[in-house]
Amino acid sequence: GQNIDQPTEMTATEGAIVQINCTYQTSGFNGLFWYQQHAGEAPTFLSYNVLDGLEEKGRFSSFLSRSKGYSYLLLKELQMKDSASYLCAVIDSNYQLIWGAGTKLIIKP
Amino acid sequence: DGGITQSPKYLFRKEGQNVTLSCEQNLNHDAMYWYRQDPGQGLRLIYYSQIVNDFQKGDIAEGYSVSREKKESFPLTVTSAQKNPTAFYLCASSIEGTGINEQFFGPGTRLTVL
Repeated sequence: GQNIDQPTEMTATEGAIVQINCTYQTSGFNGLFWYQQHAGEAPTFLSYNVLDGLEEKGRFSSFLSRSKGYSYLLLKELQMKDSASYLCAVIDSNYQLIWGAGTKLIIKP
Repeated sequence: DGGITQSPKYLFRKEGQNVTLSCEQNLNHDAMYWYRQDPGQGLRLIYYSQIVNDFQKGDIAEGYSVSREKKESFPLTVTSAQKNPTAFYLCASSIEGTGINEQFFGPGTRLTVL
């Protein structure tokens, strides 16, 4: 079966750095997305990785290791507005998106 | 402004009634999708459409139906056959349904069946 694992919930402090991990076992791999979703709202695109390595985009960075079936999202200089759920999604060999359950990130002052 | 709209944001229905959720996009995207989101679970695909007048079942299509008569519109009907319809429903679209394309999401409809 296909499976994506993320921690259910994480807590961090405003101004700090947090790393949200995602591990996957899927039938094939054609890339990995990270989305942000505020409570009761639509998910919004953060990043896409298909090659190994780190992609940096402002305060957010995403890392991929295909050999380990592993990705992480790194958030720096945390702000209160970063409190949200972060969804990891993998594109399988049939170009279907497989979604993780999401990690709820709580930012404390 | 281009985007995806879903209406209504909150919907209440009595058990046994069919209900139709609206999804409209003006992004000129070929592909559209319906997902269901339950607490503690990932997005689950209900139906998707790669082109007008064509659609395919996703992982949890039972108790749902769709139509794609226009490129802009992809309504979802939750029928009385759906055993546990209370959930948050998200509609999304992408430029095309094949290959690797970012999906853009509507604001969602929270359906509560009483």
